[in-house]
Amino acid sequence: DVKVTQSSRYLVKRTGEKVFLECVQDMDHENMFWYRQDPGLGLRLIYFSYDVKMKEKGDIPEGYSVSREKKERFSLILESASTNQTSMYLCASSSPGQGKYEQYFGPGTRLTVT
Amino acid sequence: AQRVTQPEKLLSVFKGAPVELKCNYSYSGSPELFWYVQYSRQRLQLLLRHISRESIKGFTADLNKGETSFHLKKPFAQEEDSAMYYCALTRANTGNQFYFGTGTSLTVIP
Repeated sequence: DVKVTQSSRYLVKRTGEKVFLECVQDMDHENMFWYRQDPGLGLRLIYFSYDVKMKEKGDIPEGYSVSREKKERFSLILESASTNQTSMYLCASSSPGQGKYEQYFGPGTRLTVT
Repeated sequence: AQRVTQPEKLLSVFKGAPVELKCNYSYSGSPELFWYVQYSRQRLQLLLRHISRESIKGFTADLNKGETSFHLKKPFAQEEDSAMYYCALTRANTGNQFYFGTGTSLTVIP
């Protein structure tokens, strides 16, 4: 079974703080993704990475950055958190190299910015 | 632009009734379609993918390229089917970009 884990289930931060969300997968997947999930808006892609140190912007990258120093780890960084970044954040991974295009998701981190 | 449309945000059906969750897409290339499900307090998980042509938990979905649709169907809904359902699309043979619909919340009334 693919395991995708996220560092926190719940997080409360103050406006202006720098926030790190960590995601780790244990199946040697090439691709990793960060989404935010909001009611009525579905999943919106923030960033994805198809290899170590490689990243591509998704639909809503503003206010976010990412880091992928190791294949199994993909971090989402909020440089200066704002209240409109309060959301559920989902990490996912997939392995196109193995013909597995479907994504495997982590449990999510519910971030509240006050 | 690539897009996945789920026209129903909320859908309620009675237990034992047929259920159909609609999904339409627009895509310029060759897509691969998926349905994902999220049960209460659980992570998002794959329900089925169109190329597998399989039935999972009684659900099926047929890709209709002419109508650009990928509707999810089940002949007899069960209470445990209550969940949020997302239709998703990626480009075949790459998987590098995924597009999700806005989701349909299904409630099965006992």
